Amino acid sequence: DGGITQSPKYLFRKEGQNVTLSCEQNLNHDAMYWYRQDPGQGLRLIYYSQIVNDFQKGDIAEGYSVSREKKESFPLTVTSAQKNPTAFYLCASSPQVDYEQYFGPGTRLTVT
Amino acid sequence: QKEVEQNSGPLSVPEGAIASLNCTYSDRGSQSFFWYRQYSGKSPELIMSIYSNGDKEDGRFTAQLNKASQYVSLLIRDSQPSDSATYLCAVKDNFNKFYFGSGTKLNVKP
Repeated sequence: DGGITQSPKYLFRKEGQNVTLSCEQNLNHDAMYWYRQDPGQGLRLIYYSQIVNDFQKGDIAEGYSVSREKKESFPLTVTSAQKNPTAFYLCASSPQVDYEQYFGPGTRLTVT
Repeated sequence: QKEVEQNSGPLSVPEGAIASLNCTYSDRGSQSFFWYRQYSGKSPELIMSIYSNGDKEDGRFTAQLNKASQYVSLLIRDSQPSDSATYLCAVKDNFNKFYFGSGTKLNVKP
């Protein structure tokens, strides 16, 4: 089955700890994205990558870091510098030459 | 800052009626437009994409685009209770970045 997987589905951490969220796709898509969604709000772009070993900051990159060492993987690290990390995190991918963007199931992160 | 605006709702329609969802965007250079459906607690799923002015139909869904007015809409015919969800409008710019509205919550009453 082709698709985007995110793990884990739920994640709990103590304040001050870094945490890495996994995102893998087997759709052979070039572009990958990380979004954050807070209750009752739309999606806000954290980082995106259009090719391997290259990525750009989105609108709310502070306190987050990413890597893109393989085409199929785009992990997101939420660092202790992120002031309000509790949120629903969504990974997405898009073919470079086509237009639609497809989402993984999401990871719900709770930091206490 | 590129913006995408949607009425947050909730929009309530009776079963079998037409639901009309609207979206405006600020970036006049945007070329690609999308509607996503998001059930509570789930990730967004793509419903429609539209790239040129006019209407695009897919089953019970029709997307309408007017680039001159910077306006895109989604019509859902014969609305069903299973259509009850939040509908997100998304706009893609020339740098492959997507901008999302905050969504319109639709309630379809049996």
